[in-house]
Amino acid sequence: AQSVTQPDIHITVSEGASLELRCNYSYGATPYLFWYVQSPGQGLQLLLKYFSGDTLVQGIKGFEAEFKRSQSSFNLRKPSVHWSDAAEYFCAVTSSGGYNKLIFGAGTRLAVHP
Amino acid sequence: SAVISQKPSRDICQRGTSLTIQCQVDSQVTMMFWYRQQPGQSLTLIATANQGSEATYESGFVIDKFPISRPNLTFSTLTVSNMSPEDSSIYLCSVEAGGGQINEQFFGPGTRLTVL
Repeated sequence: AQSVTQPDIHITVSEGASLELRCNYSYGATPYLFWYVQSPGQGLQLLLKYFSGDTLVQGIKGFEAEFKRSQSSFNLRKPSVHWSDAAEYFCAVTSSGGYNKLIFGAGTRLAVHP
Repeated sequence: SAVISQKPSRDICQRGTSLTIQCQVDSQVTMMFWYRQQPGQSLTLIATANQGSEATYESGFVIDKFPISRPNLTFSTLTVSNMSPEDSSIYLCSVEAGGGQINEQFFGPGTRLTVL
């Protein structure tokens, strides 16, 4: 069965520092991968997605992610974190159920220190 | 993209009652999804709702507990029936939009439900 693992439940970084959030997936075929962000009291916003092609994808708000098939990973990165980036981040993968059902990881909560 | 609104944004309900959550989209979409996010947890798909057909429920979710309506291509409702404190969660609807082989899912702001 498909699954997504986000090993880090909670991460704290200083404002201006670099960020990497880890995501590993288990999927039998070519995965379609997504990163979403959920700010307090808000719905989910899509940061970026990977379907095929270039393994380094750029997203909104200065985020990028790299797909590494050999490591079954899709880690999210940002070179310089802003205080407004404090939020919960979810990695997700589509299943093979005949429709685009999203399977989410447990999420990583990011705190940013001034 | 798609803009999605949900009503109510939050509610506090008594045990044994039912609550119907509305989801409205600003464009016509084929597939709509309902998710549950329990406190401190990730999102779990409850069901997929296509217009003109019965909703498809995921394992662990049943129609009697979470009846869904999909009367047209821009609207859906999810009812949480006979509620218990364990139903306290955020309920989110999402839609597929964008075209292409794999469409993106856009999410509503969620309905925060507390059951006493």
